[in-house]
Amino acid sequence: QITLKESGPTLVKPTQTLTLTCTFSGFSLSTSGVGVGWIRQPPGKALEWLALIYWDDDKRYSPSLKSRLTITKDTSKNQVVLTMTNMDPVDTATYYCAHTPRASTVTDFDYWGQGTLVTVSS
Amino acid sequence: SYVLTQPPSVSVAPGKTARITCGGNNIGSKSVHWYQQKPGQAPVLVIYYDSDRPSGIPERFSGSNSGNTATLTISRVEAGDEADYYCQVWDSSSDHQVFGTGTKVTVL
Repeated sequence: QITLKESGPTLVKPTQTLTLTCTFSGFSLSTSGVGVGWIRQPPGKALEWLALIYWDDDKRYSPSLKSRLTITKDTSKNQVVLTMTNMDPVDTATYYCAHTPRASTVTDFDYWGQGTLVTVSS
Repeated sequence: SYVLTQPPSVSVAPGKTARITCGGNNIGSKSVHWYQQKPGQAPVLVIYYDSDRPSGIPERFSGSNSGNTATLTISRVEAGDEADYYCQVWDSSSDHQVFGTGTKVTVL
């Protein structure tokens, strides 16, 4: 059974760096074809993809946020970490991590974490 | 960048068919995935690769994709289908995932 859970601060100040951790079970990020992505959703708004990391350490980022994002994995801990620099109130959102089952960029997200709400405010 | 346009809302009576569209330039050449999101919950994959259903998703959910429009069809709509629905593709030209604007399905 695949499960994912996001953790991190619920409140960050403008200009600070956000660090979110996705801890998962039921799969290994050392297995060929597997990936973990991050998606966010501002309150009342649509989903927005942020980043994706694959088993082979291939990384993809949203073009509009690429300069602010870093995604890494710790295979031994079954964790994926997303950092986002220079946080702004418009970055207030629920942040989800999700599992991708395919060794392709043309992939879906078949398992999602419950999400964590991050508020950016001074 | 690639844009996926969905109608903001669709209303449907119980037992009827709901069709949710996802418009994009030549989207028929891409693989489309669909998600259902109920209030306060994480999205759930309901259709992948245009028309495949994950295990546990009712056969009432189906998908198609051609030309500039992909469609999620929900047959014999039930009250429990009331949710937001999002389409998603990979845009190879900009090398990133794209989600649609989302459609709220209301069961009358």
